[in-house]
Amino acid sequence: AQKVTQAQTEISVVEKEDVTLDCVYETRDTTYYLFWYKQPPSGELVFLIRRNSFDEQNEISGRYSWNFQKSTSSFNFTITASQVVDSAVYFCALSGLYNQGGKLIFGQGTELSVKP
Amino acid sequence: EAEVAQSPRYKITEKSQAVAFWCDPISGHATLYWYRQILGQGPELLVQFQDESVVDDSQLPKDRFSAERLKGVDSTLKIQPAELGDSAMYLCASSLAPRAGAYEQYFGPGTRLTVT
Repeated sequence: AQKVTQAQTEISVVEKEDVTLDCVYETRDTTYYLFWYKQPPSGELVFLIRRNSFDEQNEISGRYSWNFQKSTSSFNFTITASQVVDSAVYFCALSGLYNQGGKLIFGQGTELSVKP
Repeated sequence: EAEVAQSPRYKITEKSQAVAFWCDPISGHATLYWYRQILGQGPELLVQFQDESVVDDSQLPKDRFSAERLKGVDSTLKIQPAELGDSAMYLCASSLAPRAGAYEQYFGPGTRLTVT
């Protein structure tokens, strides 16, 4: 079975603070992909990043960075110097190679509120 | 930039009525997904199409839900009769191909359904 757990339901920070969103996953697949999506109040899911299970290098994109650790089955997301525009619900998702359809298994989401 | 189109954006309907949602994927995307997102939860797949064929409809309540993608382009999701528990956001997504995780899924703005 595949499962994604985002234990943090809500996080509130003050602008310019750094914040880390946790994601823990379960899968029997040896080859799989992990994703992060952002959902602003408008409702549309915005793709942020995709990683495959063979690439454990951390990635940085501007203020965003991702830490993938297979040993702990985690794929955490850090926003540096948060801004009000970062306020949204963030979803971590998993897709397994043997789940041939490419279906995404989403976590429950973490609602991030950045206050000025 | 190409986008996934959905209509309507909002729909209010009474219990036992029929309702339909429309989705137009990004041009050239062979795979189309319909997800349902209940408030406070992550999206869950209802049905997946590869061109005009259904690949996965294991989570589609077939007694009341139907989906079609007749020409392998746009798609319609129907509920008849609607129930109170169907109130949710219905999201459409598309990707170039179904191979798991090989291509990111691009989401439309969603249709927010309220059943009264």
